[in-house]
Amino acid sequence: DAGITQSPRHKVTETGTPVTLRCHQTENHRYMYWYRQDPGHGLRLIHYSYGVKDTDKGEVSDGYSVSRSKTEDFLLTLESATSSQTSVYFCAIISTDRGNTIYFGEGSWLTVV
Amino acid sequence: KQEVTQIPAALSVPEGENLVLNCSFTDSAIYNLQWFRQDPGKGLTSLLLIQSSQREQTSGRLNASLDKSSGRSTLYIAASQPGDSATYLCAVSSGGGADGLTFGKGTHLIIQP
Repeated sequence: DAGITQSPRHKVTETGTPVTLRCHQTENHRYMYWYRQDPGHGLRLIHYSYGVKDTDKGEVSDGYSVSRSKTEDFLLTLESATSSQTSVYFCAIISTDRGNTIYFGEGSWLTVV
Repeated sequence: KQEVTQIPAALSVPEGENLVLNCSFTDSAIYNLQWFRQDPGKGLTSLLLIQSSQREQTSGRLNASLDKSSGRSTLYIAASQPGDSATYLCAVSSGGGADGLTFGKGTHLIIQP
């Protein structure tokens, strides 16, 4: 499973509140990703990181920010949550020593009410 | 912009049948292609990774092929079992492999006992 853990796994929050999701990995992988999964849209890339303090935007980055101050942690922040951000969020890493296979965390279910 | 399409969207077959899931992509300049399995309420499990220079990969009863020039991949499942029931996702990586994946919307597979 490439040592990926996400927290929290489930969260209900109110519109307008800030929310931070954490992705933690234990195998020192350089590349980390945040995706969201929605019915009818599939999985879409939000942000990604290619090293400490190096991040870039994905397809659906509006309303989200990220930070990576340590190799092992990649944080996704919703500054002011909206109902459209109700989704399942997945963190992923690339394992360069396994042929660039991508591994996913178990997901974080976020509901914005 | 890369687009990935999976056909069929859903499939229900009796146990024991061999079956083929299809994936097509619009931009043939891919780095690799990966097939995943997703069980309800769970994360994604990597099944097979095919590098752009490869034609196929096999793992147990699974065989994935890649025809980059035509923008197609197939996932062949031999002697299907009820435990194979899940959603199967195809994803392609471009731009050197580190810029994240573009996913299809998946094929929801049900194997009837």
